[in-house]
Amino acid sequence: EAQVTQNPRYLITVTGKKLTVTCSQNMNHEYMSWYRQDPGLGLRQIYYSMNVEVTDKGDVPEGYKVSRKEKRNFPLILESPSPNQTSLYFCASSLSRDQPQHFGDGTRLSIL
Amino acid sequence: QKEVEQDPGPLSVPEGAIVSLNCTYSNSAFQYFMWYRQYSRKGPELLMYTYSSGNKEDGRFTAQVDKSSKYISLFIRDSQPSDSATYLCAMIQSWGKLQFGAGTQVVVTP
Repeated sequence: EAQVTQNPRYLITVTGKKLTVTCSQNMNHEYMSWYRQDPGLGLRQIYYSMNVEVTDKGDVPEGYKVSRKEKRNFPLILESPSPNQTSLYFCASSLSRDQPQHFGDGTRLSIL
Repeated sequence: QKEVEQDPGPLSVPEGAIVSLNCTYSNSAFQYFMWYRQYSRKGPELLMYTYSSGNKEDGRFTAQVDKSSKYISLFIRDSQPSDSATYLCAMIQSWGKLQFGAGTQVVVTP
């Protein structure tokens, strides 16, 4: 089954404790991206990757890092999380940047 | 002003009615248009994808694009309670930048 898998689905943690949210896709997609979704603000892109070792900032990259060492994986790293990063996060992938994206089921992060 | 405007709703309709959703945009660089459906605690799911002005039908769903007016619509015929969800419009600019609307919550009552 074609899918985008995120882990964990839920996480409560404390300010400053580094965390990683993993994302994996099995569709051989070149393009992957991370979004955060907040009430009233919709989906906003954090980072995206056009291919292995190629990443770039989206609209709200501050406080986040990503890496793309393999085509299927695109982890999101919060090195020093803060409460304003409490949000619902989605990973997505597509064949290319101008194609519709397939989304994972989300990771709800709460940072106290 | 946001590049993509979408009424957040909620939009409540009785079962069997037509649901009408729309988005307006300000940037003529948007070339590709999509509608996603998002159920609670799930990721957005692609419903429709189009890149030209006019209508596109898929079952009970019709997507309409009017590039001259910078306006897109989604119509859901014979609505069912299972159509209750948040509907997101999304648009891609010619160089690949993707922008989402804020989403419209739809409630279909039996």
